[in-house]
Amino acid sequence: TQLLEQSPQFLSIQEGENLTVYCNSSSVFSSLQWYRQEPGEGPVLLVTVVTGGEVKKLKRLTFQFGDARKDSSLHITAAQPGDTGLYLCAGAQKLVFGQGTRLTINP
Amino acid sequence: DSGVTQTPKHLITATGQRVTLRCSPRSGDLSVYWYQQSLDQGLQFLIQYYNGEERAKGNILERFSAQQFPDLHSELNLSSLELGDSALYFCASSLHPMRRGDTGELFFGEGSRLTVL
Repeated sequence: TQLLEQSPQFLSIQEGENLTVYCNSSSVFSSLQWYRQEPGEGPVLLVTVVTGGEVKKLKRLTFQFGDARKDSSLHITAAQPGDTGLYLCAGAQKLVFGQGTRLTINP
Repeated sequence: DSGVTQTPKHLITATGQRVTLRCSPRSGDLSVYWYQQSLDQGLQFLIQYYNGEERAKGNILERFSAQQFPDLHSELNLSSLELGDSALYFCASSLHPMRRGDTGELFFGEGSRLTVL
């Protein structure tokens, strides 16, 4: 069974700071997705990474897929309160999700 | 609005009871996924259907069952409910079934919050 481990599980920082969250596995994934979930809502797709070493940017969010396609990271620059939420990574077939990183950005 | 509709939004019931959760996928989506989200366990995949047929099964309990109907809506049946079944149950849909290398997006409903007392 493919497992995805996310770290940290909880992160609370001040507005304007930078942060990185991680999604790791011992398995190789053909692609990996990041979703964000806000309270009372379902997860919403942020990005899909496919190629080992790939870097994708979404405004202040930078996503990287590891060279070996076993891990991924999400870096947020100058975090804002609107970035608050649960960030989930998911393997290619969406049958496996990480447990998520619950991010809180304090004004 | 993702286009995926789940009902009911909230449900409170007692142990031992049976409930049915309903999901209408996005128009045109053939594949439906069910997930359970508990406070400390993230999203756990339960089961997936494509065009009426079961395509993948996760750690779904024998007390739980699901089906997808000809109009593509899906129902998740939870029976002999226990306190530990209290969770958010999400339905998601996508156009294609999961395939190796599939990069398709999942569209999630807002979930059904089940509380078992």
